[in-house]
Amino acid sequence: EAGVAQSPRYKIIEKRQSVAFWCNPISGHATLYWYQQILGQGPKLLIQFQNNGVVDDSQLPKDRFSAERLKGVDSTLKIQPAKLEDSAVYLCASSLGSGGNYEQYFGPGTRLTVT
Amino acid sequence: AQTVTQSQPEMSVQEAETVTLSCTYDTSESDYYLFWYKQPPSRQMILVIRQEAYKQQNATENRFSVNFQKAAKSFSLKISDSQLGDAAMYFCAYRSHELIQGAQKLVFGQGTRLTINP
Repeated sequence: EAGVAQSPRYKIIEKRQSVAFWCNPISGHATLYWYQQILGQGPKLLIQFQNNGVVDDSQLPKDRFSAERLKGVDSTLKIQPAKLEDSAVYLCASSLGSGGNYEQYFGPGTRLTVT
Repeated sequence: AQTVTQSQPEMSVQEAETVTLSCTYDTSESDYYLFWYKQPPSRQMILVIRQEAYKQQNATENRFSVNFQKAAKSFSLKISDSQLGDAAMYFCAYRSHELIQGAQKLVFGQGTRLTINP
């Protein structure tokens, strides 16, 4: 079974530029999560999708971050414009369902450096 | 809001010995899930072990076991017979049992970096 795929793996941009990350979850997984992991910290949820609908985006900085999950499969996360404090690893995860008994499977992450 | 605290930024252990990683959490809920995740350098995060709060029996997975103390809100991970491949960041995480919006996310601690000395 293929795991969660993410691209690119690394990205370096200057502040005020835009960037987009892509995630392909495990086939059949209805729930998709985007986490932000700043160096030295644990991951923090940015947004959760159930199929193509948003379940939780309470910690997403909506003035600069946006995300979509068209057709309930792949998802993109965009930052526009980027700030220095956005430097982090962006992790995508997926699960069969949204309940706590469903295991979340993580992708390898995209490491973003904003200079 | 729930919080998870890992008070050991770094730990080291000799190969083949036993090490215990600490985790405490704060919640007002009575039913929830607790997890330990492993994140090797430059590799993806994987689930090590899971504990359901309503179960009194401590979870075990081969060399990995937990000591779940619900009243003390403590959830430590014990790794027996440590191996070089166990070297990684270990994260403790909490998840509510509720299905209401905003309650389904994993809340992570700051992590503990485990080094295995050969």
